[in-house]
Amino acid sequence: GAVVSQHPSWVICKSGTSVKIECRSLDFQATTMFWYRQFPKQSLMLMATSNEGSKATYEQGVEKDKFLINHASLTLSTLTVTSAHPEDSSFYICSAGGLPSYNEQFFGPGTRLTVL
Amino acid sequence: KNEVEQSPQNLTAQEGEFITINCSYSVGISALHWLQQHPGGGIVSLFMLSSGKKKHGRLIATINIQEKHSSLHITASHPRDSAVYICAARAFGNEKLTFGTGTRLTIIP
Repeated sequence: GAVVSQHPSWVICKSGTSVKIECRSLDFQATTMFWYRQFPKQSLMLMATSNEGSKATYEQGVEKDKFLINHASLTLSTLTVTSAHPEDSSFYICSAGGLPSYNEQFFGPGTRLTVL
Repeated sequence: KNEVEQSPQNLTAQEGEFITINCSYSVGISALHWLQQHPGGGIVSLFMLSSGKKKHGRLIATINIQEKHSSLHITASHPRDSAVYICAARAFGNEKLTFGTGTRLTIIP
């Protein structure tokens, strides 16, 4: 299957700072990327869907000014957690879909964010 | 709204046993995914199914569209299979996935 990478794999930051997480599709063109958040022992929760070159669509209850998503190219999407607070500590996962199979979604390994 | 249910929630088995994890969904779907999440958190896509059966190594996934049910089987289970297994369904005309709550599998040596 296709490969999706995330960077960094883990990050610790101070409260009030911003953190950027990158999601890359390494061997295919990702027309759509999804960002998920996962709390301990819970399932994935979709935060937003982004299509290359257009604004992301956020799920209800997700603050778009806090979680900035940019999908500037067919291989890269970024999630920036702005003015991070301890309650933003979580596991963030991206997945990518696109050519050649629109039905498939390929998941990144995730980024663990800890805000002190 | 598509509801996705998995059973069992937790499963402990001896090494070598045949494992079955079940997934039911409530609306017609275009695809169903089986994912594996290890304790470190990383998610691996195991299968994507829209009909029939797929096999990869010791893993087999089946889907019955009429009954809205899918199963994931593991033959000759091994402690390294210990993980959380998640099914996720994609409804027609919708890119989004609806996730089951996961099945925590523990294989004892």
